[in-house]
Amino acid sequence: KNQVEQSPQSLIILEGKNCTLQCNYTVSPFSNLRWYKQDTGRGPVSLTIMTFSENTKSNGRYTATLDADTKQSSLHITASQLSDSASYICVVSDRGSTLGRLYFGRGTQLTVWP
Amino acid sequence: EADIYQTPRYLVIGTGKKITLECSQTMGHDKMYWYQQDPGMELHLIHYSYGVNSTEKGDLSSESTVSRIRTEHFPLTLESARPSHTSQYLCASSDRDREETQYFGPGTRLLVL
Repeated sequence: KNQVEQSPQSLIILEGKNCTLQCNYTVSPFSNLRWYKQDTGRGPVSLTIMTFSENTKSNGRYTATLDADTKQSSLHITASQLSDSASYICVVSDRGSTLGRLYFGRGTQLTVWP
Repeated sequence: EADIYQTPRYLVIGTGKKITLECSQTMGHDKMYWYQQDPGMELHLIHYSYGVNSTEKGDLSSESTVSRIRTEHFPLTLESARPSHTSQYLCASSDRDREETQYFGPGTRLLVL
C-alpha cells in the first residue's frame, strides 16, 4: 500500500534554532518528492521538489534531502523565524498511472516561539 | 503567489442546502483538482479534470459534483449539504510541464449545521 508517514506530528522550537522534519514513504514506482508549506487557513505552497537522481535541494533556509534507497526524506530548516510556523507536508508522486497520483503525508505542525 | 482563487473562504449553512464552491485560475493550466482536508489529516483527492469537458472522481468518495466548462473555472457543487460534509476544500491546478507542480488556492472552510 502506498503511504507517506511524517514525524514528528508536531514540533515546538525557539526562534533562531534549527530543526529537521522526517518523511518515510512506500510509494512505488517513485517519480518525485515534494515538500509543501501550509500556513493556517491557507493552501499548501511548494518549497522543494526532488526526483530519483537528486539527493539534496535547497530553497533559502530550507534544505531537503532524499535517500531513494531507504525511501526517506528530510526537511532541514536553518535559523528558524516566527513566519516558519506552519504545517510542512511531504508529498510523493508515482508514475504508475496516467494521473501521476500524489500521496500526501499528514504534515508536521511546526511552531516557532520568540 | 499562485493565481488561483476560491470563494467563499468561509461558509456556514444549514443541512439540506445546495452550495457551490467556486475555483478559478488565471495561469491557463489544463489540469485542476479538488481536495478535502480535515484538521490534522492528509489531503484527499475528490475530483480532477484534465481539461474542458473532462472530469473524474478521485480517491475519496464524495457526494459532490464538478464541472469544467471553461479552462479557468472548476466549481464544486453539493446538492444537499450534510454535517458530514464539514471540512476544508482546497482547489489546485497544474501545468503540463515535467514537474507538474500543483498550485493551491486558499481553500474554503465549510461548516454544515
